[in-house]
Parts: sequence; C-alpha cells; structure tokens
Amino acid sequence: NAGVTQTPKFQVLKTGQSMTLQCAQDMNHEYMSWYRQDPGMGLRLIHYSVGAGITDQGEVPNGYNVSRSTTEDFPLRLLSAAPSQTSVYFCASSYAGTGDEQFFGPGTRLTVL
Amino acid sequence: AQSVTQLDSHVSVSEGTPVLLRCNYSSSYSPSLFWYVQHPNKGLQLLLKYTSAATLVKGINGFEAEFKKSETSFHLTKPSAHMSDAAEYFCVVRTYNQGGKLIFGQGTELSVKP
Repeated sequence: NAGVTQTPKFQVLKTGQSMTLQCAQDMNHEYMSWYRQDPGMGLRLIHYSVGAGITDQGEVPNGYNVSRSTTEDFPLRLLSAAPSQTSVYFCASSYAGTGDEQFFGPGTRLTVL
Repeated sequence: AQSVTQLDSHVSVSEGTPVLLRCNYSSSYSPSLFWYVQHPNKGLQLLLKYTSAATLVKGINGFEAEFKKSETSFHLTKPSAHMSDAAEYFCVVRTYNQGGKLIFGQGTELSVKP
C-alpha cells in the first residue's frame, strides 16, 4: 500500500492565483481531512469528509474548497491564494471510529508571494 | 470542549538519559489520546495511542505513555534517549465532533545532545 500520498511537495504561488492540492489514499478509509501547520500553532483542521459525497468545514475553512467524488481522493482547492495561506498542508485519512489513528501524508509546502 | 496542553515547548536531554514529555488533557468523556512525532521537514508518524484499554501504552522505538485520569495527564517517556529521537512531538486528542477531528497540542521540540 502507498498509504496517503500528496502532490505537489512544494509550490510557490502569486497572490490571487488558484491551485489544487491533491490527496489520495489506498486504504479504503471513510474519513479524510486536511490540516495546515503553522509555526507555534500545531495543526488545524481545514475541511474533512466522512465519506464520498460528504464534506464539511473544520476550524479554518475560509479560502479553501474541497470535494469528495471517490473514497480514494480528497483534493483541496485554493480559490484565490493569499500570503496568509503560506503554510504546510497535510492530508490525513482513517477509519471513522474516534479511537482510530489518522494516517498522514508527507505534506505540501506552499508559499504565496 | 476537548483540549490538550503540552507543558514544555522545548526539552533538551543527553544521549542515554531518560526522556519525559508532558501532556495534560481536558475532556468531559473518555478520550482517545495519541502521540505523534515529526522529524524535520517530514510528515507525522504515530508513536502510540490510548483508547481506554490498558493505561500504560507502549509504542514504537521504545516510547511509552501512561494515562492518568486522576491527573488528566498522558506523559510520554523513554528510558534512554537516542540521537535519532531529536524531533518535534505532538500530543493529540481525537474528538467526537467534526467527524472525529484531531486537536493538537502546541508541540514539544526534543533535542538530544551527544
């Protein structure tokens, strides 16, 4: 199994540009989520999904969209990039139970100029 | 509301000495608690998890943690530090809302001196 994969690993955008961060998992997990990591703030939840066709907002959803058309894929779209979105983005997946660990992808380091 | 507090932002130990990383949690019901490790410029790896079974939880690479309900603590320990243990460590609680989102502590950076 490849686990959780993310592309790209690095990205530089100009303010106002849009892009999609890709996330895929091959473990048949129902639950997938996106987090951003900023210095001194741990990881914060952006959006999550409990299954194909179902998505919802996390703590910091503004400026991001998601969709979940298949169990495997959960892309994150930046609609109009802003410097405040400079961060490291992690995708995670798990079974739905609250006792289950979440598996993390390697991350995407995004810089918005 | 659930939360975790990591009591030290940075811990420095010498190689071969014990490691103690402290975490307190707040939860109105029995929590699911995790410790993750992040090496520089890497993703997050699960060290161990507590899900209301044994209170002493053993993880990978010689780490273990003890769940103490009376003290609302879940401290991470290792008897003998290795240089490769240098990393950032996160104490995490998984909630029952927002699909089971994770709430992260601020992180503890562990340095290991030769």
